[in-house]
Amino acid sequence: KAGVTQTPRYLIKTRGQQVTLSCSPISGHRSVSWYQQTPGQGLQFLFEYFSETQRNKGNFPGRFSGRQFSNSRSEMNVSTLELGDSALYLCASSLTQQGRYSGANVLTFGAGSRLTVL
Amino acid sequence: QKEVEQNSGPLSVPEGAIASLNCTYSDRGSQSFFWYRQYSGKSPELIMFIYSNGDKEDGRFTAQLNKASQYVSLLIRDSQPSDSATYLCAVTDSNYQLIWGAGTKLIIKP
Repeated sequence: KAGVTQTPRYLIKTRGQQVTLSCSPISGHRSVSWYQQTPGQGLQFLFEYFSETQRNKGNFPGRFSGRQFSNSRSEMNVSTLELGDSALYLCASSLTQQGRYSGANVLTFGAGSRLTVL
Repeated sequence: QKEVEQNSGPLSVPEGAIASLNCTYSDRGSQSFFWYRQYSGKSPELIMFIYSNGDKEDGRFTAQLNKASQYVSLLIRDSQPSDSATYLCAVTDSNYQLIWGAGTKLIIKP
């Protein structure tokens, strides 16, 4: 069973550019969550998508956006990149939307996309 | 603000000893508690989760939950050098959203 696939694994951008990251969840998983991880801030929740709808959003500026397709694949976009956006961006999938169901919050992470902004 | 606190470490434990990792949380409505392990340069992977007060054992790992005191711990018995990693505690808040701790770095010394 394939795991969570994230592309690209590494990328370098310059300030002001925009970037799109892709995530393919485990087959059968319908929820995709995105996280930013930096050494100083740890894991920071960006947003969760379920059934092509954003269900929850973290405290990030509007430059960070995402979407989910009908096959549950998800993309996130960061526009007008800043130096502080340099981080590891992790995608995680789960069977269903995070919530009361006991298995809903069990996440499987992809390998991540490491973004460097120069 | 809902918080999950972990000692950043590093926590150094001799090989073969018991490693004890602790996590406290602020939201009394929290219902689910997770421990993830993250090796350097890798992504987090689930070790175990616990929902009820008491202990839950899985091989060399035991999760302990005390909702009254608002803490959850992870014990690793017979620690191995391969257990050296950062351990992340995650807790669902009263809205069932995951709140993450910053992680404890564990070093197992041969």
